[in-house]
Amino acid sequence: AQSVTQLGSHVSVSEGALVLLRCNYSSSVPPYLFWYVQYPNQGLQLLLKYTTGATLVKGINGFEAEFKKSETSFHLTKPSAHMSDAAEYFCAVHVDSNYQLIWGAGTKLIIKP
Amino acid sequence: EPEVTQTPSHQVTQMGQEVILRCVPISNHLYFYWYRQILGQKVEFLVSFYNNEISEKSEIFDDQFSVERPDGSNFTLKIRSTKLEDSAMYFCASSDGLAGEETQYFGPGTRLLVL
Repeated sequence: AQSVTQLGSHVSVSEGALVLLRCNYSSSVPPYLFWYVQYPNQGLQLLLKYTTGATLVKGINGFEAEFKKSETSFHLTKPSAHMSDAAEYFCAVHVDSNYQLIWGAGTKLIIKP
Repeated sequence: EPEVTQTPSHQVTQMGQEVILRCVPISNHLYFYWYRQILGQKVEFLVSFYNNEISEKSEIFDDQFSVERPDGSNFTLKIRSTKLEDSAMYFCASSDGLAGEETQYFGPGTRLLVL
């Protein structure tokens, strides 16, 4: 069975600082990994995804994530936080044998001015 | 850019009442999904739908729930007799394919409150 763990329900960073949101997964088969973002009062928007190939994937709004199989991790980073990045971020895993996305609990990113 | 839409954005209902949540998936997508998120909890899968039948459903998706694609554009989730614990944000999603690498595109959600 697959599962996703996001460390930290809330992460607070200063504007301009590095953003690091952690995601670890467990899967018995090669997973596909996704980060979604939910802005206040909006739906879930795809930020980036890892399928195959290059392990460092770039997404929208300057975010990127690196798939590390040995660490079963897919952490999300952004070099310099912006106030508009304040949102909730969800890591999810999908495998070919299932139809559903398996979700982490989400991390609320707070940006301090 | 095509997007998934959902109506209504908010719904308040009395326990025991039937509700229908509506979704319009992206027009050329063939796979449709419902998820829900109870306040403060994880997003949970409810059901997937393809070719006019359910492909997979979770334990949450019991006999009180049903899905339908009544026409070429809408995809609905019906809860026959709502319970207090059905209060949640309900998300519809659609995808072009079924493989694990396919992106599921989500609507803005319907916030359901059962009193």
